Amino acid sequence: SQQGEEDPQALSIQEGENATMNCSYKTSINNLQWYRQNSGRGLVHLILIRSNEREKHSGRLRVTLDTSKKSSSLLITASRAADTASYFCATDNLADKLIFGTGTRLQVFP
Amino acid sequence: ETGVTQSPTHLIKTRGQQVTLRCSSQSGHNTVSWYQQALGQGPQFIFQYYREEENGRGNFPPRFSGLQFPNYSSELNVNALELDDSALYLCASSSWGYQETQYFGPGTRLLVL
Repeated sequence: SQQGEEDPQALSIQEGENATMNCSYKTSINNLQWYRQNSGRGLVHLILIRSNEREKHSGRLRVTLDTSKKSSSLLITASRAADTASYFCATDNLADKLIFGTGTRLQVFP
Repeated sequence: ETGVTQSPTHLIKTRGQQVTLRCSSQSGHNTVSWYQQALGQGPQFIFQYYREEENGRGNFPPRFSGLQFPNYSSELNVNALELDDSALYLCASSSWGYQETQYFGPGTRLLVL
C-alpha cells in the first residue's frame, strides 16, 4: 500500500512558471525524500529533508515539511521543459525501506 | 548516471511461468532493494538484501524471492507469474548505514500475458 498521496495528480505549466506539488503521508517518519522519474524509467533522487527540518533548498528546488500536518511540498522555480517528469515523495519510517506516494505528473510546455 | 544496471530491460512472459531479473549495484554499495511499480502508481517495496540475506520485506507473497551475491549484485525471482505481476521492477543500491538515499537502476519492464 502507498504511504501517502501527492497532489495534484497532474500539473501543466509553461516554461518559466513555478510548479508546486504536495505530499501527504500517514505515519511518523525519519525523513522525507523527493524523487523524479522520466517516462517510466528509474528514479532520480532530488532532495532529502529530515523530520527535524522545516525547509530545504537545492538549486531551483525548495522543499518544506510540516510534521504536525504530515505533509510536504516541493517547489520547482523557473521551470524548464526538461523538468517534465513524474515526481514522487517517499518516506523513510521503516529504517531505509522507502514508501512512495502516488506521484504528480508534471508537464512543462516550451 | 547512478551506475546501477538492470537486465533485461524488457521481458514478456506468460501466466504461470517463472522469471529472474538481475541488478548490479553501484560501486561501493552493499545493499540492494527491489521495488515493483505498477502503471500509474508509485513504487512499492518488495524486499532488501544486505550481506546476502534478506533484510526486510514488503507485502509480497513468497513466490517473490531474491538473492544477493558476494559482489553485491542481486536477483529477483518471481514464480507462478500472474497477470498482475506486470509492472516495472526497480532495484536500488545503497550503503549500509546510509540507506536513506537509494540509487535506482533504469528498471525491467515485465509483461505477463
